[in-house]
Parts: sequence; C-alpha cells; structure tokens
Amino acid sequence: RKEVEQDPGPFNVPEGATVAFNCTYSNSASQSFFWYRQDCRKEPKLLMSVYSSGNEDGRFTAQLNRASQYISLLIRDSKLSDSATYLCVVISARINFGNEKLTFGTGTRLTIIP
Amino acid sequence: GAGVSQTPSNKVTEKGKYVELRCDPISGHTALYWYRQSLGQGPEFLIYFQGTGAADDSGLPNDRFFAVRPEGSVSTLKIQRTERGDSAVYLCASSLTAAGRNEQFFGPGTRLTVL
Repeated sequence: RKEVEQDPGPFNVPEGATVAFNCTYSNSASQSFFWYRQDCRKEPKLLMSVYSSGNEDGRFTAQLNRASQYISLLIRDSKLSDSATYLCVVISARINFGNEKLTFGTGTRLTIIP
Repeated sequence: GAGVSQTPSNKVTEKGKYVELRCDPISGHTALYWYRQSLGQGPEFLIYFQGTGAADDSGLPNDRFFAVRPEGSVSTLKIQRTERGDSAVYLCASSLTAAGRNEQFFGPGTRLTVL
C-alpha cells in the first residue's frame, strides 16, 4: 500500500464550481501535511499547509482528519487558472533526526472548463 | 532573489552512459533534497543533504546513483550505466534548514531521457 494515496482523476469541472479532493495516508505517526500544486511540465509549488483545526486561504480550504488519516482540499468558485495537478504531501515520523523528506501522492489532475 | 536552478534542463543519453545533473540551491539554504518524478506519479525522495553530508540516502534506487555536495551549496547527482528505467524528471529542492516548518523550494528539474 502506498504511503499517500490520491484519486488521480482527471477531474473536469465547470468554471465557478466547487471541487474537493481527498487524500489518505498510512503512517499514523505522520507529522506535517501539505498541498502542493504542479502545473504541466513545471516544478511543484507549495499551495498551503494543512492543520488539524483546518485552514483557509481565499478560495482554498484544507482540512486534516487525524482519526481517519485523511486530508482534504476544497476549492470554491473555481477559476480557469486553477487547472493543475494537486499533490498531497506528508512528512512522516522522523527516522533520521532532521530529515524532513516529503512523501508525495500521485497527484490529482484538475481541469477547469470554461 | 534567485530560486533553485538546475542544469541541464534536458538530457538525452544512451543506455549505459554516465550522466551528471547539477543543482544550485537558494543561497543560504542548508538543506538540499533530490527527488525523481516519473510520468503520472508524484515526486519520490532520493537523497537529502544537511550541509555537506548526505544525511539520508535511503531513496537512492541502487548503487548506480550517487550524489555529492562538497562545499555545502551546489550538489551533483551522478548516475552510472544509465538504464531506460532511469528516464524521469529529477527535481532538486532546498530549504533554509531541514525542519519541517521550512518550505522546500523546488527547481525546474532536469528531464532525463535514456534511449
């Protein structure tokens, strides 16, 4: 079983709609959680961190459910520019002190349709 | 300021050849990471440097892969006897320190194609 699992999509959503992605992780000792965005043939970029209390950044809301070991991302009022691959990312419990390597899901591809 | 840079942006080589991929991290960043991303997959961790030392190389797939960071800044990922399965985008990232609260900034990657 992969450490971080996501539905690869694609999700094709009309402009203005609300879209939600979920991601599950297998290591219950995981410490930190993020959503990264990756445009076609570009590098991943941090979209937002995910906290247990939930956090919001404009049209984007991220939630963490530690009991069920899943992370969600909600995008409201979607724009054409939101078209990208969204990567769920986890930092697992430290095996080697100081190494905060990122473990990525496969990514969910989102296309916003005009 | 300048972000993470990687050279070359594209590398085409033949099976069995040796390649070197270079990463220039953001100035002042002590932590440097190499990841590999295959088509349709998320990036996979290869190796992590804190300063000059490789603190964790558990992601390197086999002993054909090696990386160095001799002066604690620029890093080179070296692949010997390349195989077709090595074809992927090799991403480098750096962060201020290794602590998880510090964002990792990624370079544009080197697209390696082994024929």
